[in-house]
Amino acid sequence: KQEVTQIPAALSVPEGENLVLNCSFTDSAIYNLQWFRQDPGKGLTSLLLIQSSQREQTSGRLNASLDKSSGRSTLYIAASQPGDSATYLCAVNPTGTASKLTFGTGTRLQVTL
Amino acid sequence: SAVISQKPSRDICQRGTSLTIQCQVDSQVTMMFWYRQQPGQSLTLIATANQGSEATYESGFVIDKFPISRPNLTFSTLTVSNMSPEDSSIYLCSVTLSGLAVYNEQFFGPGTRLTVL
Repeated sequence: KQEVTQIPAALSVPEGENLVLNCSFTDSAIYNLQWFRQDPGKGLTSLLLIQSSQREQTSGRLNASLDKSSGRSTLYIAASQPGDSATYLCAVNPTGTASKLTFGTGTRLQVTL
Repeated sequence: SAVISQKPSRDICQRGTSLTIQCQVDSQVTMMFWYRQQPGQSLTLIATANQGSEATYESGFVIDKFPISRPNLTFSTLTVSNMSPEDSSIYLCSVTLSGLAVYNEQFFGPGTRLTVL
Protein backbone atom coordinates (compact mmCIF):
# COMPACT_ATOMS: atom_id res chain seq x y z
CA LYS A 1 0.00 0.00 0.00
CA GLN A 2 1.36 3.39 -1.04
CA GLU A 3 2.10 5.79 1.82
CA VAL A 4 2.97 9.43 1.28
CA THR A 5 4.67 11.54 3.93
CA GLN A 6 5.46 15.24 3.99
CA ILE A 7 8.08 16.93 6.10
CA PRO A 8 7.92 19.29 7.86
CA ALA A 9 4.30 19.26 9.02
CA ALA A 10 4.44 23.00 9.63
CA LEU A 11 6.86 25.74 8.69
CA SER A 12 7.07 29.45 9.47
CA VAL A 13 9.49 31.66 7.54
CA PRO A 14 10.01 35.40 7.10
CA GLU A 15 9.06 36.98 3.81
CA GLY A 16 11.69 36.73 1.10
CA GLU A 17 13.19 33.41 2.15
CA ASN A 18 13.62 30.52 -0.24
CA LEU A 19 12.21 27.29 1.12
CA VAL A 20 11.91 23.59 0.35
CA LEU A 21 9.00 21.29 1.11
CA ASN A 22 9.58 17.55 1.07
CA CYS A 23 7.40 14.66 -0.01
CA SER A 24 8.33 10.98 0.20
CA PHE A 25 6.46 7.92 -1.02
CA THR A 26 6.99 4.25 -0.30
CA ASP A 27 6.22 2.70 -3.69
CA SER A 28 8.29 4.07 -6.56
CA ALA A 29 5.93 2.65 -9.19
CA ILE A 30 4.10 5.90 -9.82
CA TYR A 31 2.61 7.41 -12.95
CA ASN A 32 2.93 11.02 -11.85
CA LEU A 33 3.09 13.26 -8.80
CA GLN A 34 1.06 16.42 -8.29
CA TRP A 35 1.57 19.33 -5.89
CA PHE A 36 -1.46 21.24 -4.62
CA ARG A 37 -2.10 24.27 -2.49
CA GLN A 38 -5.05 24.45 -0.08
CA ASP A 39 -6.17 27.60 1.67
CA PRO A 40 -8.04 27.15 4.98
CA GLY A 41 -11.48 25.64 4.49
CA LYS A 42 -11.12 25.72 0.70
CA GLY A 43 -10.59 23.31 -2.17
CA LEU A 44 -7.28 22.43 -3.79
CA THR A 45 -5.42 24.38 -6.43
CA SER A 46 -3.13 22.39 -8.71
CA LEU A 47 0.38 23.85 -8.74
CA LEU A 48 2.57 21.44 -10.65
CA LEU A 49 2.40 17.93 -12.07
CA ILE A 50 5.51 15.85 -12.76
CA GLN A 51 5.28 12.77 -14.94
CA SER A 52 7.32 9.76 -13.83
CA SER A 53 9.67 10.28 -16.79
CA GLN A 54 10.44 13.87 -15.80
CA ARG A 55 12.93 15.22 -13.26
CA GLU A 56 11.42 18.63 -12.61
CA GLN A 57 8.74 21.17 -13.48
CA THR A 58 8.76 24.92 -13.03
CA SER A 59 5.99 27.50 -12.76
CA GLY A 60 6.94 31.03 -11.80
CA ARG A 61 8.58 30.97 -8.36
CA LEU A 62 7.80 27.28 -7.91
CA ASN A 63 10.02 24.39 -8.89
CA ALA A 64 9.17 20.76 -8.22
CA SER A 65 11.63 17.91 -8.60
CA LEU A 66 11.11 14.18 -8.66
CA ASP A 67 13.50 11.33 -7.84
CA LYS A 68 11.33 8.30 -8.44
CA SER A 69 13.96 5.72 -7.57
CA SER A 70 14.42 7.14 -4.08
CA GLY A 71 10.73 7.92 -3.61
CA ARG A 72 11.14 11.67 -3.13
CA SER A 73 9.86 14.94 -4.45
CA THR A 74 10.63 18.48 -3.37
CA LEU A 75 8.75 21.73 -3.92
CA TYR A 76 11.03 24.76 -3.97
CA ILE A 77 9.45 28.17 -3.39
CA ALA A 78 11.65 31.15 -4.22
CA ALA A 79 11.37 34.56 -2.56
CA SER A 80 8.41 33.59 -0.40
CA GLN A 81 5.53 36.04 0.11
CA PRO A 82 2.76 36.26 2.73
CA GLY A 83 0.31 35.21 0.00
CA ASP A 84 2.11 31.86 -0.18
CA SER A 85 0.76 31.00 3.27
CA ALA A 86 -1.33 27.85 2.85
CA THR A 87 -1.15 24.09 3.24
CA TYR A 88 0.81 22.33 0.50
CA LEU A 89 -0.13 18.77 -0.40
CA CYS A 90 1.63 16.29 -2.63
CA ALA A 91 -0.25 13.40 -4.19
CA VAL A 92 0.95 10.40 -6.17
CA ASN A 93 -0.90 8.69 -8.98
CA PRO A 94 0.10 5.03 -8.81
CA THR A 95 0.76 3.21 -12.05
CA GLY A 96 -2.34 1.57 -13.51
CA THR A 97 -4.89 2.87 -11.05
CA ALA A 98 -6.58 5.38 -13.29
CA SER A 99 -5.78 8.66 -11.60
CA LYS A 100 -6.70 7.61 -8.05
CA LEU A 101 -4.49 9.91 -6.01
CA THR A 102 -2.88 9.06 -2.70
CA PHE A 103 -2.29 12.22 -0.71
CA GLY A 104 0.43 13.18 1.69
CA THR A 105 -0.11 14.58 5.12
CA GLY A 106 0.55 18.18 4.06
CA THR A 107 2.88 20.99 5.11
CA ARG A 108 1.26 24.06 6.63
CA LEU A 109 3.31 27.10 5.57
CA GLN A 110 3.16 30.54 7.14
CA VAL A 111 5.14 33.39 5.62
CA THR A 112 5.46 36.33 7.98
CA LEU A 113 6.11 39.99 7.25
CA SER B 1 -8.21 24.04 -16.44
CA ALA B 2 -11.95 24.21 -15.73
CA VAL B 3 -14.56 25.81 -13.52
CA ILE B 4 -15.78 23.26 -11.01
CA SER B 5 -18.66 24.24 -8.77
CA GLN B 6 -20.10 22.47 -5.76
CA LYS B 7 -23.39 23.00 -3.99
CA PRO B 8 -23.89 23.61 -1.15
CA SER B 9 -20.63 25.24 -0.10
CA ARG B 10 -21.41 24.40 3.51
CA ASP B 11 -24.19 22.98 5.63
CA ILE B 12 -25.01 22.11 9.21
CA CYS B 13 -27.17 19.01 9.54
CA GLN B 14 -28.79 16.95 12.26
CA ARG B 15 -27.68 13.39 12.86
CA GLY B 16 -29.76 10.78 11.08
CA THR B 17 -30.52 13.01 8.09
CA SER B 18 -29.02 12.90 4.59
CA LEU B 19 -27.36 15.57 2.44
CA THR B 20 -26.82 15.53 -1.31
CA ILE B 21 -23.83 17.43 -2.70
CA GLN B 22 -23.70 18.45 -6.34
CA CYS B 23 -20.64 18.86 -8.54
CA GLN B 24 -20.84 20.61 -11.93
CA VAL B 25 -17.99 21.10 -14.41
CA ASP B 26 -17.92 23.48 -17.37
CA SER B 27 -15.49 21.44 -19.51
CA GLN B 28 -15.27 17.99 -21.04
CA VAL B 29 -14.54 15.55 -18.25
CA THR B 30 -12.93 12.14 -18.52
CA MET B 31 -12.90 10.97 -14.91
CA MET B 32 -14.69 12.26 -11.80
CA PHE B 33 -13.92 11.46 -8.18
CA TRP B 34 -15.21 12.19 -4.69
CA TYR B 35 -12.85 12.75 -1.75
CA ARG B 36 -13.33 13.33 1.95
CA GLN B 37 -11.12 15.47 4.17
CA GLN B 38 -11.76 14.97 7.85
CA PRO B 39 -10.75 17.76 10.25
CA GLY B 40 -6.98 18.14 10.40
CA GLN B 41 -6.47 15.25 7.98
CA SER B 42 -5.44 14.85 4.38
CA LEU B 43 -7.74 13.74 1.58
CA THR B 44 -9.10 10.22 1.23
CA LEU B 45 -10.70 8.93 -1.96
CA ILE B 46 -14.30 7.79 -1.48
CA ALA B 47 -15.15 6.60 -4.98
CA THR B 48 -14.83 7.06 -8.71
CA ALA B 49 -18.08 8.30 -10.23
CA ASN B 50 -18.86 6.40 -13.43
CA GLN B 51 -21.17 7.87 -16.04
CA GLY B 52 -24.42 5.94 -16.29
CA SER B 53 -23.34 3.12 -14.00
CA GLU B 54 -22.59 2.37 -10.37
CA ALA B 55 -19.67 4.15 -8.77
CA THR B 56 -16.49 2.30 -7.83
CA TYR B 57 -15.94 2.56 -4.10
CA GLU B 58 -12.68 2.43 -2.17
CA SER B 59 -12.11 0.16 0.79
CA GLY B 60 -14.06 1.39 3.79
CA PHE B 61 -16.74 3.19 1.79
CA VAL B 62 -20.08 1.63 0.75
CA ILE B 63 -22.87 2.59 -1.58
CA ASP B 64 -25.56 2.55 1.12
CA LYS B 65 -23.72 5.24 3.07
CA PHE B 66 -22.42 7.29 0.11
CA PRO B 67 -24.66 6.81 -2.92
CA ILE B 68 -23.23 8.53 -6.01
CA SER B 69 -24.83 9.36 -9.32
CA ARG B 70 -23.28 10.62 -12.53
CA PRO B 71 -26.01 10.99 -15.14
CA ASN B 72 -23.76 12.74 -17.67
CA LEU B 73 -20.11 13.59 -18.25
CA THR B 74 -20.08 16.92 -16.39
CA PHE B 75 -22.39 16.41 -13.38
CA SER B 76 -22.32 14.18 -10.31
CA THR B 77 -23.93 13.99 -6.89
CA LEU B 78 -22.73 12.48 -3.64
CA THR B 79 -25.20 11.76 -0.86
CA VAL B 80 -24.07 11.36 2.72
CA SER B 81 -26.76 9.17 4.28
CA ASN B 82 -27.90 8.70 7.87
CA MET B 83 -25.30 11.18 9.05
CA SER B 84 -23.43 11.08 12.34
CA PRO B 85 -20.97 13.62 13.80
CA GLU B 86 -18.12 11.46 12.43
CA ASP B 87 -19.24 12.45 8.93
CA SER B 88 -18.30 16.08 9.60
CA SER B 89 -15.74 16.75 6.88
CA ILE B 90 -15.02 18.67 3.72
CA TYR B 91 -16.24 16.75 0.69
CA LEU B 92 -14.52 17.51 -2.60
CA CYS B 93 -15.12 16.45 -6.16
CA SER B 94 -12.26 16.28 -8.61
CA VAL B 95 -11.96 15.68 -12.33
CA THR B 96 -9.53 14.93 -15.09
CA LEU B 97 -10.21 16.73 -18.34
CA SER B 98 -10.11 15.65 -21.93
CA GLY B 99 -8.14 17.56 -24.52
CA LEU B 100 -5.26 18.55 -22.27
CA ALA B 101 -1.59 17.86 -22.98
CA VAL B 102 -1.32 16.39 -19.49
CA TYR B 103 -4.46 14.35 -19.62
CA ASN B 104 -4.52 13.00 -16.09
CA GLU B 105 -3.85 16.20 -14.17
CA GLN B 106 -6.52 16.39 -11.51
CA PHE B 107 -8.55 19.51 -10.69
CA PHE B 108 -10.64 20.03 -7.57
CA GLY B 109 -13.85 21.80 -6.73
CA PRO B 110 -14.07 24.31 -3.86
CA GLY B 111 -15.42 21.68 -1.46
CA THR B 112 -18.52 21.32 0.70
CA ARG B 113 -17.97 21.80 4.42
CA LEU B 114 -20.37 19.57 6.33
CA THR B 115 -20.99 19.77 10.07
CA VAL B 116 -23.20 17.15 11.69
CA LEU B 117 -24.64 17.92 15.12
